[in-house]
Amino acid sequence: ETVMTQSPATVSVSPGERGTLSCRASQSVSSNLAWYQQKPGQAPRLLIYGASTRATGIPARFSGSGSGTEFTLTISSLQSEDFAVYYCQQYNNWPPAFGQGTKVEIK
Amino acid sequence: EVQLVESGGDLVKPGGSLRLSCAGSGFIFSNAWIIWVRQAPGKGLEWVGRIKSRPDGETTDYAAPVKGRFAISRDDSKNTVYLQMNSLKIEDTAVYYCATGLYQCGGDCYSGWGQGTLVTVSS
Repeated sequence: ETVMTQSPATVSVSPGERGTLSCRASQSVSSNLAWYQQKPGQAPRLLIYGASTRATGIPARFSGSGSGTEFTLTISSLQSEDFAVYYCQQYNNWPPAFGQGTKVEIK
Repeated sequence: EVQLVESGGDLVKPGGSLRLSCAGSGFIFSNAWIIWVRQAPGKGLEWVGRIKSRPDGETTDYAAPVKGRFAISRDDSKNTVYLQMNSLKIEDTAVYYCATGLYQCGGDCYSGWGQGTLVTVSS
């Protein structure tokens, strides 16, 4: 089973600043990595798949990179609506698995 | 627009059973892989299981914690997928989401989500 580890657990960022979130897999997942955003009381929303492809309707300030075991989600200039919890998910190895999440809070 | 609506969440005693429904619209439901993901209160996301489309064999797969207790089925005439949960445990308490698999991810990343339904297992 592939274990996904996200860091940090919480990151404090000022509006307009860059936010960088990390995700590490316990074994290679190639580029089969997705990122989701979840706001309180809402369902998750797919942001990125294939490690770097933005899902439909996702703003260009969200970008993903990495392959193998190390991945990064970057939010270039944080907007008020971006403060949320972010999850990575691998879908290369069975079973699919989510990381524990990184909370992006207002500094 | 893809819409998924879960229903059936309730308070149930340990050892009890519950059936959740996931009704879809705005897409070709019969071609969709449907996944169940749960989220315990204040915790992260946990993959529960999935059912493939009939053209893909209507195969079901389950996470280890629920295998043998949960069963997923579908009725494409009603655009609905079901999650039958038996022998419920306290640790099954969670919001249960259904979601659609994205073709570009081989069905294993999830682009459409319902709003979730709460299952509480407590005596």
